[in-house]
Amino acid sequence: GQNIDQPTEMTATEGAIVQINCTYQTSGFNGLFWYQQHAGEAPTFLSYNVLDGLEEKGRFSSFLSRSKGYSYLLLKELQMKDSASYLCAVFNQAGTALIFGKGTTLSVSS
Amino acid sequence: DGGITQSPKYLFRKEGQNVTLSCEQNLNHDAMYWYRQDPGQGLRLIYYSQIVNDFQKGDIAEGYSVSREKKESFPLTVTSAQKNPTAFYLCASSMEARGVHNEQFFGPGTRLTVL
Repeated sequence: GQNIDQPTEMTATEGAIVQINCTYQTSGFNGLFWYQQHAGEAPTFLSYNVLDGLEEKGRFSSFLSRSKGYSYLLLKELQMKDSASYLCAVFNQAGTALIFGKGTTLSVSS
Repeated sequence: DGGITQSPKYLFRKEGQNVTLSCEQNLNHDAMYWYRQDPGQGLRLIYYSQIVNDFQKGDIAEGYSVSREKKESFPLTVTSAQKNPTAFYLCASSMEARGVHNEQFFGPGTRLTVL
């Protein structure tokens, strides 16, 4: 089966850097996604990793280590609007749908 | 404008009534999905469909039913057999079910409250 673990909550201040970790167990790895979700809104796509290493996209970067079953999302130069939930997701066993973690709620203060 | 629509945004029903939530997409995506979100639970997969006239159960399909008669539409029926139907329901679609083209685009969601 699959299992995804993320911290429930994190706090940080404007301008800082924060790293949100995700560990997963899955049979047959087909890629890992990160989504951002503001309260009461739909999730929006942030990144997709299928190979080991760091993918950088502006202020956000995502890292994957398949051997360790580990990923992190790195947010730099934090802004108040980055306060949201961050969801880690991996494919199900059949590789046909995503299974989401419970999400990490990030609160950014001034 | 291309996208996914869900209506209504808020829905109230009496206990014991079936209710159907709509989901329409004009992105020409093959795959569509229904998730349920409860506080502190993240997104849980109810049903998904990789292609028209085909769908599979997700992790929490009991008490729900779906149909996929058209590529654009994937309605979800919450039946009276669902014990705790009050939740935020999200519909999503992706170009295909596998690989990088599984980037899922989400609709705005429907918040269902059963009284």
